[in-house]
Amino acid sequence: DIQMTQSPSSLSASVGDRVTISCRASQVIGNYLAWYQQKPGKVPKLLIYAASTLQSGVPSRFIGSGSGTDFTLTISSLQPEDVATYYCQKCNGAPFTFGPGTKVDIK
Amino acid sequence: EVQLVESGGGLEQPGGSLRLSCAASGFSFSTYAMSWVRQAPGKGLEWVSGISGSGGSIYYADSVKGRFTISRDNSKDTLHLQMNSLRVEDTAVYYCAKMSGSYYGEIDYWGRGTLVTGSS
Repeated sequence: DIQMTQSPSSLSASVGDRVTISCRASQVIGNYLAWYQQKPGKVPKLLIYAASTLQSGVPSRFIGSGSGTDFTLTISSLQPEDVATYYCQKCNGAPFTFGPGTKVDIK
Repeated sequence: EVQLVESGGGLEQPGGSLRLSCAASGFSFSTYAMSWVRQAPGKGLEWVSGISGSGGSIYYADSVKGRFTISRDNSKDTLHLQMNSLRVEDTAVYYCAKMSGSYYGEIDYWGRGTLVTGSS
């Protein structure tokens, strides 16, 4: 099965900073990669699908890129409401494995 | 408006069984694949099982294969997860999730989750 890894596992940044989260698949998955945001105590929310397509209603400061095995989620200007754990997920076939998550805090 | 409402969670002893249900509304249920995703306390998301829109294709994570059974009733817009031989490590919030395609895709809608506790 394809394994998903994320780095870093956590980060702390200042409001307005550019934040980058990496996700790597152990085999090529094309652009079948989604990103989710889960705020503390809340249900996960879809941010980006097909590696780079912004889900409706998601702020444009969230940017997805990559294909093949290496993917990136960028928050162009970190806001206080972005405090959350971010997960990537492969979506091209079962098992639909999630990455272990990246926790983002405000410094 | 898409709604997914889970039920059936609770406390069950190791070795016991539980049946989770998810009532779906607001979309053409039979068109879309569905999944169960769980989250143990303080841990990350784990995909558990998925089923195609027609019900003809079924998938499981290795951690639950042979113990859990996913099914759907497209006449009642309902998804189920039969959980047998429960283990302590099955303790988690179980989310019902709608996928964007008939067989695969990202999860575009999530239920609020139901808590399953496997403990004596």
